[in-house]
Amino acid sequence: DTAVSQTPKYLVTQMGNDKSIKCEQNLGHDTMYWYKQDSKKFLKIMFSYNNKELIINETVPNRFSPKSPDKAHLNLHINSLELGDSAVYFCASSHNRGVNTEAFFGQGTRLTVV
Amino acid sequence: DAKTTQPPSMDCAEGRAANLPCNHSTISGNEYVYWYRQIHSQGPQYIIHGLKNNETNEMASLIITEDRKSSTLILPHATLRDTAVYYCIVRPTSGGSYIPTFGRGTSLIVHP
Repeated sequence: DTAVSQTPKYLVTQMGNDKSIKCEQNLGHDTMYWYKQDSKKFLKIMFSYNNKELIINETVPNRFSPKSPDKAHLNLHINSLELGDSAVYFCASSHNRGVNTEAFFGQGTRLTVV
Repeated sequence: DAKTTQPPSMDCAEGRAANLPCNHSTISGNEYVYWYRQIHSQGPQYIIHGLKNNETNEMASLIITEDRKSSTLILPHATLRDTAVYYCIVRPTSGGSYIPTFGRGTSLIVHP
């Protein structure tokens, strides 16, 4: 049973295209996140989504938009893809309150824009 | 959030204990210390967390100083598979919107 699953694992696409990455968690968590890890390996938060409250990292371009159809899913939509969007994108989830608030991560989606 | 500082890299011989330090001198009384690691090409993985007392689980031990300004993650018998980047972060126990924020971490290399 995969706790946090992302699809696809690899995504190669051309500049200017629009693409989506799906994320699902079966842990009953109330908060989900998207992170971007670039070639320098820095893990940067993009979005946090909790009970319909969206927190956006102000440095994220508005071409990126998270969509949450329900508490178990947080999909990432990217419009007009650029070369600089190439990176590994990680989805994660956690409880936001209490003692055990560790985050669980998916295995990542490697996006390559050509 | 309290900031953490970690050495950028460390190495350890296989079978020996790996002791990874973390400074969190501005930690608040309601903030836990969490440790994660990221093995190459995989998603980060939770290891352990603690508030005041030392903690141990099947993966590691966490030693927190009495003043809580620093902690040490101990891998008692490091294996080659423990080669990874280890992240120390702090987070409040409750209240508000918290976002786990990762620094550069410590790149641990376990060698034969």
